[in-house]
Amino acid sequence: NAGVTQTPKFRVLKTGQSMTLLCAQDMNHEYMYWYRQDPGMGLRLIHYSVGEGTTAKGEVPDGYNVSRLKKQNFLLGLESAAPSQTSVYFCASSYFHGQETQYFGPGTRLLVL
Amino acid sequence: TQLLEQSPQFLSIQEGENLTVYCNSSSVFSSLQWYRQEPGEGPVLLVTVVTGGEVKKLKRLTFQFGDARKDSSLHITAAQPGDTGLYLCAGENYGQNFVFGPGTRLSVLP
Repeated sequence: NAGVTQTPKFRVLKTGQSMTLLCAQDMNHEYMYWYRQDPGMGLRLIHYSVGEGTTAKGEVPDGYNVSRLKKQNFLLGLESAAPSQTSVYFCASSYFHGQETQYFGPGTRLLVL
Repeated sequence: TQLLEQSPQFLSIQEGENLTVYCNSSSVFSSLQWYRQEPGEGPVLLVTVVTGGEVKKLKRLTFQFGDARKDSSLHITAAQPGDTGLYLCAGENYGQNFVFGPGTRLSVLP
């Protein structure tokens, strides 16, 4: 039982390049989330999904796209990376919404030059 | 936009000391969670409080939810080096997504 895994762990991009971050969970959770964490700003929600085939915008969605084609996977895409997207990205999942425990992955550190 | 503030931002103490960190907002939350995050890892849930005035204890950690559900505190008794980490609070507003505070970075020196 691996919980929540994220790929890759670390990536360096040049401005304008694209990439996809992969999140996978093996807990059969309905809800999945993508956050970014920046110094002094805590975790901010980018996009989330309430089930397979559904996605919704969070607090800071601009410049990102997501897809949830399979229940266990949640992909975060950057179409044209910008230096402002340098951050640590965390994926999380939960069985239900609200007071349920969110289980976080180990994070992906992204540097955009 | 609901905002959560945490204080202090940084705290460095000696092993064995007691400490309290705070999470404050002008907004009311239906529940509040505390997480601990260690370097290079994702946050791990410590506790969820849902009732105004609620107090929960987890070994040496005591969590309190304010009566008005706008604030919370985390008290650690006899801190140990293993308590070192970033403590995050997160508030939920009646089915909406969680809002996270910026965190308190705690360092417990042996």
